[in-house]
Amino acid sequence: DGGITQSPKYLFRKEGQNVTLSCEQNLNHDAMYWYRQDPGQGLRLIYYSQIVNDFQKGDIAEGYSVSREKKESFPLTVTSAQKNPTAFYLCASCCGGPAWETQYFGPGTRLLVL
Amino acid sequence: QKEVEQDPGPLSVPEGAIVSLNCTYSNSAFQYFMWYRQYSRKGPELLMYTYSSGNKEDGRFTAQVDKSSKYISLFIRDSQPSDSATYLCAFLRGYNKLIFGAGTRLAVHP
Repeated sequence: DGGITQSPKYLFRKEGQNVTLSCEQNLNHDAMYWYRQDPGQGLRLIYYSQIVNDFQKGDIAEGYSVSREKKESFPLTVTSAQKNPTAFYLCASCCGGPAWETQYFGPGTRLLVL
Repeated sequence: QKEVEQDPGPLSVPEGAIVSLNCTYSNSAFQYFMWYRQYSRKGPELLMYTYSSGNKEDGRFTAQVDKSSKYISLFIRDSQPSDSATYLCAFLRGYNKLIFGAGTRLAVHP
């Protein structure tokens, strides 16, 4: 049963705390992405990785960090520097072959600040 | 000017109606044109994509692209309550970087 899993479904962060969101895929995709979704703003790209041990900043990377040590995993850390972290976070992956493919999304993690 | 403009709605229609969803874009370099459907508190799923001007049909759904006007549309025929969701247009920029519209919330009532 192939797909993308994200955990946890809901996450609560206290002031000054770093939290890590998990994203795992078993689709054998090379590329993985993290998006943030706020009401009325669509999806905005935080970070992406096209290959293991390499990643690039997206449009709104400040206050976030990532790692890509394994092909299957692309965790996102929301640091205390991110002053407005409340949002719906979506992980996506893409592309196991030469032809163009779209991105496939996980079920998302909703992050709330206490 | 935003790269992508999409009316957030909400759009409320009776069951069986024809629904028209639209996006405009400003970047001529966009290569692929996509529509995603997102149910509440779920991840988006790809509904349709095309890379050329014209119409593409899949069941009750038709995607239309007009590159000269930088305008894309999604038509839903015989709309059903199960079509109630947020519809996001998306565009490919560069190597697999997607730019999304804000999404239009659609409610189909029985």
